Amino acid sequence: AQSVTQPDIHITVSEGASLELRCNYSYGATPYLFWYVQSPGQGLQLLLKYFSGDTLVQGIKGFEAEFKRSQSSFNLRKPSVHWSDAAEYFCAVGAKAGTALIFGKGTTLSVSS
Amino acid sequence: GAVVSQHPSRVICKSGTSVKIECRSLDFQATTMFWYRQFPKQSLMLMATSNEGSKATYEQGVEKDKFLINHASLTLSTLTVTSAHPEDSSFYICSARGNRGQINTEAFFGQGTRLTVV
Repeated sequence: AQSVTQPDIHITVSEGASLELRCNYSYGATPYLFWYVQSPGQGLQLLLKYFSGDTLVQGIKGFEAEFKRSQSSFNLRKPSVHWSDAAEYFCAVGAKAGTALIFGKGTTLSVSS
Repeated sequence: GAVVSQHPSRVICKSGTSVKIECRSLDFQATTMFWYRQFPKQSLMLMATSNEGSKATYEQGVEKDKFLINHASLTLSTLTVTSAHPEDSSFYICSARGNRGQINTEAFFGQGTRLTVV
């Protein structure tokens, strides 16, 4: 079955600390992988995406993610978290570019001062 | 990136009434639109996929007679929640995909509609 797992429901990090949000997927074909961020009551903003090529992907707001096929993972990282990064983060997978996505349950990020 | 506008952002309606939500692609032609539903503190679940000029394809468990989707033009899709009940209260989000260039490589999301049925 196709699925996306985000093992961490809620993470709290100190401002300025590094961040890693985990994402594992189960997909029968070559996955197209995405990370989105959602602020309360808002829509989704694309942080980054991976289709092919370099497995380390750079996104907006200083985020990056690494695709590891052997581990079926696409973890999101940021070297130094800012208070404005507090939000809900969703990992998603699709069959190909522009198709419907399967989302993980999300990870809530809180940033402490 | 391409812009998708969703309207209204919030709506409160009485139980038994119908509500229409619009999803517009502002600067590209959306050949395909997707409608998702998000319950509080949960993930987004695909409700249906619509291609311009065709009937929508609904996911298993989604009542097509209750959630009417129309995609009559390349820039507009609508979701009508008919005879809404409190259990239909949710956050509804659309996304749209074009057919060339960057807009063919990802689906762009609207800002969502918070529906509250009282």
